[in-house]
Amino acid sequence: AQSVAQPEDQVNVAEGNPLTVKCTYSVSGNPYLFWYVQYPNRGLQFLLKYITGDNLVKGSYGFEAEFNKSQTSFHLKKPSALVSDSALYFCAVRLGGGGADGLTFGKGTHLIIQP
Amino acid sequence: DGGITQSPKYLFRKEGQNVTLSCEQNLNHDAMYWYRQDPGQGLRLIYYSQIVNDFQKGDIAEGYSVSREKKESFPLTVTSAQKNPTAFYLCASRDRANSPLHFGNGTRLTVT
Repeated sequence: AQSVAQPEDQVNVAEGNPLTVKCTYSVSGNPYLFWYVQYPNRGLQFLLKYITGDNLVKGSYGFEAEFNKSQTSFHLKKPSALVSDSALYFCAVRLGGGGADGLTFGKGTHLIIQP
Repeated sequence: DGGITQSPKYLFRKEGQNVTLSCEQNLNHDAMYWYRQDPGQGLRLIYYSQIVNDFQKGDIAEGYSVSREKKESFPLTVTSAQKNPTAFYLCASRDRANSPLHFGNGTRLTVT
């Protein structure tokens, strides 16, 4: 079975400061890892993914994430936070390879950027 | 523009009634998914379908049913057997195995 942990229900950051949203995963094999963002009463929007290759992946809106196999982590980062980054963020995983099975999501982290 | 359309955005039903949520995509994706979102619980997979006329149960399929008669459509029926149907329901689709899921904007179902 695969699982995702987002240890923080909420992260508060001042505008202009760097932000980190934490994610650890468990999967029996090579993982495909994803970050999504959700605004109120909307669907999820894809931010970035790690499939293979460079451990540092860059995504939309200036976000990036680093895949760390030894720590089974995939933390989301941004060098300088904007108030508009305030939203609900989800980390997700699936076992790499073929198949149509869905993603397993973490419980989400509310990111609040204070002006 | 290609995308996923879920309708209606808000749905209200009385307890004991079945209700069907619509999901249509024009992305030409083979795989489609239904997730349920509850506050503080993340997203949980209800059903998914890889091809027309085939679908698989997810983690919380009890009390739900689906059909996949057309590639672009994957409706979800919430039956009266679902004990806690009030939730936000999200439909998604995917192209290849390493592609991200594309999500619709969801249907918020309230059962009283």
